[in-house]
Amino acid sequence: QLQLHESGPGLVKPSETLSLTCTVSGGSISSSNYQWGWIRQPPGKGLEWIGTIYYSGTTYYNPSLKSRVTVFIDTSRSQFSLKLSSVTAADTAVYYCARRYRAFDIAAVEVAYFDLWGRGTLVTVSS
Amino acid sequence: QSVLTQPPSASGTPGQRVTMSCSGSSSNIGSNTVNWYQQLPGTAPKLLMYSNNHRPSGVPDRFSGSQSGTSASLAISGLQSEDEAGYYCAAWDDSLDGLVFGGGTKLTVL
Repeated sequence: QLQLHESGPGLVKPSETLSLTCTVSGGSISSSNYQWGWIRQPPGKGLEWIGTIYYSGTTYYNPSLKSRVTVFIDTSRSQFSLKLSSVTAADTAVYYCARRYRAFDIAAVEVAYFDLWGRGTLVTVSS
Repeated sequence: QSVLTQPPSASGTPGQRVTMSCSGSSSNIGSNTVNWYQQLPGTAPKLLMYSNNHRPSGVPDRFSGSQSGTSASLAISGLQSEDEAGYYCAAWDDSLDGLVFGGGTKLTVL
């Protein structure tokens, strides 16, 4: 069974770069039907999509974070990673990695959803 | 301020039917399908409904979804205590060219 696991520092200083890695185990990261994504959730608040990447390296980013975000993938290691630069306290959140299924049905309507999630990792931005 | 609007809270008693709304616009719900995620306390979100009204394998048929115009709804019939959770809607937004979530509805089973 495919699993995702986030790893990285739990504490980052303001103005520095947050770096997280998601390791995919029990299945292939190189499938054309799947994207790999990052979603975050500030304490007590809702979900926010950060960005997604295909195994080919094609990326999609949240426009509000685009200037600070980089998502990249290493298929040889079955990992994809997130870098968020110039962090502030507002970036304190639980960060989830997730698999996003994407396809088109017989009517050519897009079908896309996050079907598998990691457990999440809390990243606190503080000096 | 979320692009998709959900009531912050909802409640019901065991056995009751409850519905939750998700309001958007022509650039998101009006032109793309809606997914719903359930988040039990202290856990990661879980896919509950995709493409407006399709249940993934393992999701009970007590859960149903619908979409009309620029709004979507999630209904839970035969409410159970284990349904107490946060519920989030999500859809692609063509204007923003990105995925947007609702602010979430916290369901309390009284």
